[in-house]
Amino acid sequence: EAGVAQSPRYKIIEKRQSVAFWCNPISGHATLYWYQQILGQGPKLLIQFQNNGVVDDSQLPKDRFSAERLKGVDSTLKIQPAKLEDSAVYLCASSLEDNTEAFFGQGTRLTVV
Amino acid sequence: DQQVKQNSPSLSVQEGRISILNCDYTNSMFDYFLWYKKYPAEGPTFLISISSIKDKNEDGRFTVFLNKSAKHLSLHIVPSQPGDSAVYFCAPYNAGKSTFGDGTTLTVKP
Repeated sequence: EAGVAQSPRYKIIEKRQSVAFWCNPISGHATLYWYQQILGQGPKLLIQFQNNGVVDDSQLPKDRFSAERLKGVDSTLKIQPAKLEDSAVYLCASSLEDNTEAFFGQGTRLTVV
Repeated sequence: DQQVKQNSPSLSVQEGRISILNCDYTNSMFDYFLWYKKYPAEGPTFLISISSIKDKNEDGRFTVFLNKSAKHLSLHIVPSQPGDSAVYFCAPYNAGKSTFGDGTTLTVKP
């Protein structure tokens, strides 16, 4: 069974530029999460989708971050414009509906300079 | 307001000995408690979980204990192996999602 795929693995951008991350969840997983993990901290939930609907985006900085999940499968997370404090690893995870265990991708390491 | 606290950022143990990782939480609505393990440059992977109606769950060398009255859980690894060296996250679960602690880096020395 293929795992959660994320791209790119690494990205370096200048502040005020825009960036987008892509995630392909495990086939059949209805729930998709985007987490931000700052160095030395645990993953923090940014947004949760159930199929293609948003369940929770209370921690998403909506003035600069946006996310969508087309047709309830792939998802993209965008930052525009980026700030220095956005430097982090962005993790995508998916799970079966009503299942507690989430499966994580390898993450995208973003460096904003 | 940090709902999940792992107060020990790091732990070092000798191979073959017991590793005990601790986690405290404040939200009484959590109904499952998960532990994830993370190696460098990889995403977290699920390790073991416990329901809020139980006080112990065992899976091979890994045992999780839950003390609901104290809002405390712990992960025991016996015996510890060098391959267990990783970051361990406590991740209580409620309403379809987990809240992660900041992790404990475990180093098991040969």
